Amino acid sequence: SQTIHQWPATLVQPVGSPLSLECTVEGTSNPNLYWYRQAAGRGLQLLFYSVGIGQISSEVPQNLSASRPQDRQFILSSKKLLLSDSGFYLCAWSEGSGANVLTFGAGSRLTVL
Amino acid sequence: DAKTTQPTSMDCAEGRAANLPCNHSTISGNEYVYWYRQIHSQGPQYIIHGLKNNETNEMASLIITEDRKSSTLILPHATLRDTAVYYCIVRLGNTPLVFGKGTRLSVIA
Repeated sequence: SQTIHQWPATLVQPVGSPLSLECTVEGTSNPNLYWYRQAAGRGLQLLFYSVGIGQISSEVPQNLSASRPQDRQFILSSKKLLLSDSGFYLCAWSEGSGANVLTFGAGSRLTVL
Repeated sequence: DAKTTQPTSMDCAEGRAANLPCNHSTISGNEYVYWYRQIHSQGPQYIIHGLKNNETNEMASLIITEDRKSSTLILPHATLRDTAVYYCIVRLGNTPLVFGKGTRLSVIA
């Protein structure tokens, strides 16, 4: 069966520090991968999605970036965090074709101080 | 932008059926209707999806009107653990899910 892992689960970082959140999927190949963010009291916002290694689509301009160095690995990064980057970050995956279900990870809660 | 309209919040008595409506009047012929829910501090959980026909699984039933401009998610016997934000999403093929504000369902003992 397929599983999705996200880490770290909780992170407290100072403004201006770098960020790296990692997501991996097991039990499938060539998945579509997604990063969403949920700010406090707000809805889920799609940040990035990827249909293959090295293929990243950005939905919202910001100081975040995403990379997919391996087929089942998706990384969310920032060189310098802002206060507004605080939120709940969720990774998700779906099969690479067809009208398939997105399965979400448990999330990473980032607090920028 | 989300293509659906949902009530902001609803209450439901424990053990009763919860009927959550969703309007998607601009849905196109090959867009599916998906329902997800998000329990506090967790990732969204898939519930059900459909194209034209009504669908049922172990979690819920999805009723889609004949003109496909609206749908209703039915939780047949709501429990306290069903308290969550429920999202109705229309989606074309394998495109990313775009979440709206959803309906906050409170199941009351």
